[in-house]
Formats: sequence, structure tokens, C-alpha cells
Amino acid sequence: DIEMTQSPSSLSASVGDRFSITCRASQTIRNYLNWYQQKPGKAPKLLIYAASTLQSGVPSRFSGSGSGTDFTLTISSLQPEDFATYYCQQSYSSPYTFGQGTKLEIK
Amino acid sequence: EVQLVQSGAEVKKPGESLRISCKASGYSFTSYWFAWVRQMPGKGLECMGTIFPGDSDTRYSPSFEGQVTMSVDRSISTAYLQWSSLKASDTAIYFCARMSSGSFYKLDVWGPGTAVTVSS
Repeated sequence: DIEMTQSPSSLSASVGDRFSITCRASQTIRNYLNWYQQKPGKAPKLLIYAASTLQSGVPSRFSGSGSGTDFTLTISSLQPEDFATYYCQQSYSSPYTFGQGTKLEIK
Repeated sequence: EVQLVQSGAEVKKPGESLRISCKASGYSFTSYWFAWVRQMPGKGLECMGTIFPGDSDTRYSPSFEGQVTMSVDRSISTAYLQWSSLKASDTAIYFCARMSSGSFYKLDVWGPGTAVTVSS
């Protein structure tokens, strides 16, 4: 299985801050990388696929970058509704493993 | 509207069997892979496996092979996840999700989750 490692595991930030998290794959996954947002008690929501393609309806303050083994999710200016847990997932080979998650909390 | 509706919460005893469901609507059920995702209490997401309703081709993640069974009923556009003998460690929320492809697989539509509690 391909192992996905996110960092940091948790982070505190303020509204308006720029926020970035990283995701590293244990082997190359080219750009087969998805990002999801999950709020408490809710199902995850797809934000970005193919490493940098914004899912329809997702605000443009979200962006993704990277290829190979290293990827980044960035939120340019945090909004109150962005405080959630974020997961990366590789879709390069089955099983399509997730990172352990990054919890973003309000400072 | 594309939608996945999951069956309700379950409380079971160890050793009991269980089948939970995920009903799809608003799109061609047999054209997209399904994924089942586990989330244990306070933990992250784990992909249990995927199934293609068109031909029931099933791929289990190694951690879940032999522990659960995925199936579909094409006549009612419903996917199932079942256990023959539950353990306390099966306590979790189980999400179904549509796996949209094009050139890149992605879980673009999710069900709300089914909470399963296994306790004596």
C-alpha cells in the first residue's frame, strides 16, 4: 500500500491567515492526489483532485500543488467556515489510501 | 440531484451479523465505482475497498479483505457492506462514496454515513 503522511497533524490559525499543509506519499503518485475537508459529524467533501484542480463549487481561496511525492494544500485567507479537518488521498493505485488528517483550529 | 442515502444507525452485539446499505439516485448507478470508507471514533479516514456496480468487480484493501463483503443490487441502485460476525473494533462510522473517474479517481459524492456500534 502507498502510505500518505500529512504534516502538521494539527494547527491553530486566525481568520484571514494563509494556511498550508503538506502531504507526502511513500512512492511517486504523479499527480493522483485528492484533498478533502471534513467538519464534525459530517461526511468529507472533495476540494481538489488531480493535485491542483478545484472541484466545482469550491471557493478559489483553496489551491493545491505538487507532483511525484510532495503535495501542498493552501488556503489563501482563512474564513470561519474553513476550520475543519483536511485529508489527502492518493488515487494512483488501489487501495486509495488517505493521510492521517490535519485538524485546523481557530487560534 | 445526485445523492447517496445510507441506512440508519445500528447497535449490535459481538458475533452478530449486519448489512448496511447505500442507495444511489440521480445518476447511472452502474457507471461509477463505489468506495466504502471507515472512520473509527476520533480517527481518520480509511478506504475499505471499492466495487463497480456494472459487473460487481470488487477490490478490498488488504486490512479489510476477509473481514467484510461488498455487494450491489443493480435493480434498486443500492450498494451494501456486510459483516458475518461483528467485533467491538468494528464500531465506527461507515461512509459510502461515488468514485468519479475521467482521468483521475476521486470521491465526489458521499453518503452521510452509518454509525455502527458493537457492544456487549
